[in-house]
Amino acid sequence: AQKVTQAQTEISVVEKEDVTLDCVYETRDTTYYLFWYKQPPSGELVFLIRRNSFDEQNEISGRYSWNFQKSTSSFNFTITASQVVDSAVYFCALSVLLNTGTASKLTFGTGTRLQVTL
Amino acid sequence: IAGITQAPTSQILAAGRRMTLRCTQDMRHNAMYWYRQDLGLGLRLIHYSNTAGTTGKGEVPDGYSVSRANTDDFPLTLASAVPSQTSVYFCASSDSARTSAYEQYFGPGTRLTVT
Repeated sequence: AQKVTQAQTEISVVEKEDVTLDCVYETRDTTYYLFWYKQPPSGELVFLIRRNSFDEQNEISGRYSWNFQKSTSSFNFTITASQVVDSAVYFCALSVLLNTGTASKLTFGTGTRLQVTL
Repeated sequence: IAGITQAPTSQILAAGRRMTLRCTQDMRHNAMYWYRQDLGLGLRLIHYSNTAGTTGKGEVPDGYSVSRANTDDFPLTLASAVPSQTSVYFCASSDSARTSAYEQYFGPGTRLTVT
């Protein structure tokens, strides 16, 4: 079975601070995908990034960066110079193939609520 | 391109009533999914569909049924609603024909309250 743990329930930072959201996963599959989704107060789920299990390169996209470490089964997300618009719930998720062979099942963490204040 | 649409946006439903949540996508994705989001539990998979004509059970399927008559539509039915089905329901789709992908795109959600 798969499991995703986001130990930080809620984080509050002041604008321009850097913040790291932790994600630890468990799976026995050798091929899997890791994701981060953002859920702003409006409620929709916005896809941020996908990383496959064979690619441990870290990625940077503007103020966002992701650190994937298979040795510790972690896929942490850092926001640099946070802004009020970053306030949202962030979900880490793990995807493996369902036994049908094509559809994938996303296992979500419970989310981390980030509050960025002025 | 609308992506994924869900209807209704929200609904208050009496216990015991039947309800169908609608989901339509225009991305020609072959895989579709229904999740429910509950506070402190994240999102949990209810049912999924690999392709039109096939469906499968997720981790919390009891009390729900789905059908997939065509590529675009994936309705979720609550045959006899109970208060524990109060939740926010998200429909999602993915282009699983692209085996390097698997990211799922989500609809705006339906907030359902069963009283």
